[in-house]
Amino acid sequence: DAKTTQPPSMDCAEGRAANLPCNHSTISGNEYVYWYRQIHSQGPQYIIHGLKNNETNEMASLIITEDRKSSTLILPHATLRDTAVYYCIVSFYNQGGKLIFGQGTELSVKP
Amino acid sequence: GAVVSQHPSRVICKSGTSVKIECRSLDFQATTMFWYRQFPKQSLMLMATSNEGSKATYEQGVEKDKFLINHASLTLSTLTVTSAHPEDSSFYICSGSRDEQYFGPGTRLTVT
Repeated sequence: DAKTTQPPSMDCAEGRAANLPCNHSTISGNEYVYWYRQIHSQGPQYIIHGLKNNETNEMASLIITEDRKSSTLILPHATLRDTAVYYCIVSFYNQGGKLIFGQGTELSVKP
Repeated sequence: GAVVSQHPSRVICKSGTSVKIECRSLDFQATTMFWYRQFPKQSLMLMATSNEGSKATYEQGVEKDKFLINHASLTLSTLTVTSAHPEDSSFYICSGSRDEQYFGPGTRLTVT
């Protein structure tokens, strides 16, 4: 079973920041938080991952709470092309990369 | 990011026939590849872990004799759906593991 909980859907206005929450209260000390997204009828795309520190790359920022029981993915300036299903996954890093997908959050970016 | 390809992108086959789907890592070597299945409006379900040079590890409930996986090289894994039935119609996605996991574009299988 997936070890994360995400809202099923969210809306965001184009140009605004999209903040996608994820709860992972049973995460263990050496599990990482990964975020992927899937645009309709395509394979998932890697976005970002982190262990306990906040991370930022060219696509997004990942904020992990101090107790590591939840995190937020931030898309700073959402565009229509960011409309997708976003998956938050916890997994052991470098252990073959086995990923168990939950239901994800369907983000709709509206003009 | 790393690139993973799948072939074919779409396939239609008749009930009772077998179909092979190829997954290739184009610019990296993948000791481990994964196969997922996704039904409409549902999330990805991990089917099996494919390790180069050894037998695949199947998730609970996945029939290993029906879904044959071969990982003959560090850049190629194949999934063969044997004796396909309409209920096997689905979107099949593979991924290769380097530092992160990189996914192919998927193969849409329709069994008539």
